[in-house]
Amino acid sequence: EVQLVESGGGLAQPGGSLRLSCAASGFTLSNYEMNWVRQAPGKGLDWVSYISGSGTTINYADSVKGRFTISRDDAKGSLYLQMNSLRAEDTAVYYCARGPVGIIDYWGQGTLVAVSS
Amino acid sequence: QLVLTQSPSASASLGASVKLTCTLSSGHSTYAIAWHQQQPDKGPRYLMKLSSDGSHRKGDGIPDRFSGSSSGAERYLTISSLQSEDEADYYCQSWVTGFRVFGGGTKLTVL
Repeated sequence: EVQLVESGGGLAQPGGSLRLSCAASGFTLSNYEMNWVRQAPGKGLDWVSYISGSGTTINYADSVKGRFTISRDDAKGSLYLQMNSLRAEDTAVYYCARGPVGIIDYWGQGTLVAVSS
Repeated sequence: QLVLTQSPSASASLGASVKLTCTLSSGHSTYAIAWHQQQPDKGPRYLMKLSSDGSHRKGDGIPDRFSGSSSGAERYLTISSLQSEDEADYYCQSWVTGFRVFGGGTKLTVL
């Protein structure tokens, strides 16, 4: 059974940092493209970042470029999102999402990030 | 630029059918999409991949009541025999290499 379990969310101050983790199981992580997607309170889904199966191609939404860094450790079965220079508008539930060949076919349960002073 | 457009809301009666629409922006009418469901206070769930020719591949455990079809730049999700648990937000999603795009979502109310 495919499972994606996020952790690392919490309260951060504006300008602060958080590191999200996603533990993947039930499939071989190295064979899959992965994504982070977020959802602000009461809003729709918003794609944040993508990493290819090899880790050589990485992309970000303009809203987080230069502040967030996606990475993966296939040996540990984990995906990460390092979030720096956090802003109030980054407040959202962050989902880890498996993405074979463009679609997203499995989602984690999400982890809440709140940015406030 | 790839943009997906969805109506903000839809409604239909219990036991009836409803057809939700996702429209691809100009120049992207051949793109495939995915449909996702998000029930209240839950994470999203993948429903199906839908190609431009109307062929679709559903996710694990998705009931036969959910089906997809296509016409030009429009991609449809049809839910038949509506049940109360179908009341949810429905999102379409597509991609260009290395980037993912979501529609704004349609909130479905089951009357």
